[in-house]
Amino acid sequence: NAGVTQTPKFRVLKTGQSMTLLCAQDMNHEYMYWYRQDPGMGLRLIHYSVGEGTTAKGEVPDGYNVSRLKKQNFLLGLESAAPSQTSVYFCASSYLGQLYEQYFGPGTRLTVT
Amino acid sequence: KQEVTQIPAALSVPEGENLVLNCSFTDSAIYNLQWFRQDPGKGLTSLLLIQSSQREQTSGRLNASLDKSSGRSTLYIAASQPGDSATYLCAVTDAGGTSYGKLTFGQGTILTVHP
Repeated sequence: NAGVTQTPKFRVLKTGQSMTLLCAQDMNHEYMYWYRQDPGMGLRLIHYSVGEGTTAKGEVPDGYNVSRLKKQNFLLGLESAAPSQTSVYFCASSYLGQLYEQYFGPGTRLTVT
Repeated sequence: KQEVTQIPAALSVPEGENLVLNCSFTDSAIYNLQWFRQDPGKGLTSLLLIQSSQREQTSGRLNASLDKSSGRSTLYIAASQPGDSATYLCAVTDAGGTSYGKLTFGQGTILTVHP
């Protein structure tokens, strides 16, 4: 039981490049989330999903897109990376039956130059 | 909009001390409150989850209390050890059918326990 995994662990992009971050969970959780963590700002919600085929905006969605084609996977896309998107990205999942207790992945450290 | 504040921002204590970390939130209509631990360069590990109807939860040397009406929670760590050194994060899930477990985080308390 791997829990929540994220790919890749590190990435450096040039401004304007695109990339996709992959999150996978093997706990059969309905809800999945993408957060970013920045010094002095804490963790902030980017997008979330309440089930396969559904996505919704969080607090800081601009510049990101997401997809949840399979229940176990939640993808975060950056279409045209900007230096302001340099951050550590965390994926999490939860289940209402467990009172929404969230389980986090190890994070992806992204640098945009 | 819910806001979560943690005090102090950093804390350094000698090994063996009992300590208290504080968390406050502005909207008392919460579903639950979670305390997390984050080691440098790592993800978040859930320590304790308190439902809005509960007053406290305990796990080993950790005890978390919740006073929903005043918008406060404390994390008590007994007999601190160097291995407790980490950042401790408090986060709340708002009540309501559309919260879907979304978390609002505080900025964390950086704890250092020195031998």
